[in-house]
Amino acid sequence: SQQGEEDPQALSIQEGENATMNCSYKTSINNLQWYRQNSGRGLVHLILIRSNEREKHSGRLRVTLDTSKKSSSLLITASRAADTASYFCATDANDKETSGSRLTFGEGTQLTVNP
Amino acid sequence: DGGITQSPKYLFRKEGQNVTLSCEQNLNHDAMYWYRQDPGQGLRLIYYSQIVNDFQKGDIAEGYSVSREKKESFPLTVTSAQKNPTAFYLCASSTSPSGRVPQYFGPGTRLTVL
Repeated sequence: SQQGEEDPQALSIQEGENATMNCSYKTSINNLQWYRQNSGRGLVHLILIRSNEREKHSGRLRVTLDTSKKSSSLLITASRAADTASYFCATDANDKETSGSRLTFGEGTQLTVNP
Repeated sequence: DGGITQSPKYLFRKEGQNVTLSCEQNLNHDAMYWYRQDPGQGLRLIYYSQIVNDFQKGDIAEGYSVSREKKESFPLTVTSAQKNPTAFYLCASSTSPSGRVPQYFGPGTRLTVL
C-alpha cells in the first residue's frame, strides 16, 4: 500500500493567501518530511518532523503531525508567486527487508500562486 | 560548491539500446538513491546504495542496473529490458542510509525513448 498520499492534488490561490496541503499515510512512521519541486527540477528538502513532535516551523512554513490520525499538514503563510511548485510528503518507515528504514514519497500537491 | 550533479540533462535513446545516467556528489554522503518520476506522479525508488560496493533493489528495479565503485559516484544503466523507460530520473544522496535524515537531490535527467 502506498504511504504518503497528498490532498488536494492541485491548489490554486492568490498571492498573500495561505496554502494548506495535507498528507495521509497508512503505517507507523519514524518521521515525515516535506519536499518542494519546481517544474522539471530536483526536489528540495523543506522540513522534517519526527514522530514525537506535533508541530514545527521554518520561516513561512508550518508543519503539523497527528500520528493518531496518521496525517500531516503543510501550511505556507502569505504565499508568493515564487511558491508555485509541487509539494511532496515523504514518510520514513522501517524496512523489514533491510532492517533499516527508507523514505516513501507521495504523489504531490501542485500549488499555483497567482500574482 | 558542494552538491549533487546529474548528466546529461536530456537523453534520447533508441529502442533496444542501453544508456547510462551519471550521478556524482561531493557531499561525502554514504547513501545514494535513484528514483523514477512519471508525469504528475511521485517518486518511485529504483535502487539505493548504503555504502561503497553495496546496493539494493528498490520497488521498480527490473530493467535497471547500478554500480557503486566510488563513494562519489552512483551511475544508473537503463537496459533494453526496461519496457517503458521514458521518464524523469532523479538521483539523491544522504548522510546515512535511512529515512531519518534529509535527502539531497540532483537536477534530474529526462530520458526519452524514440
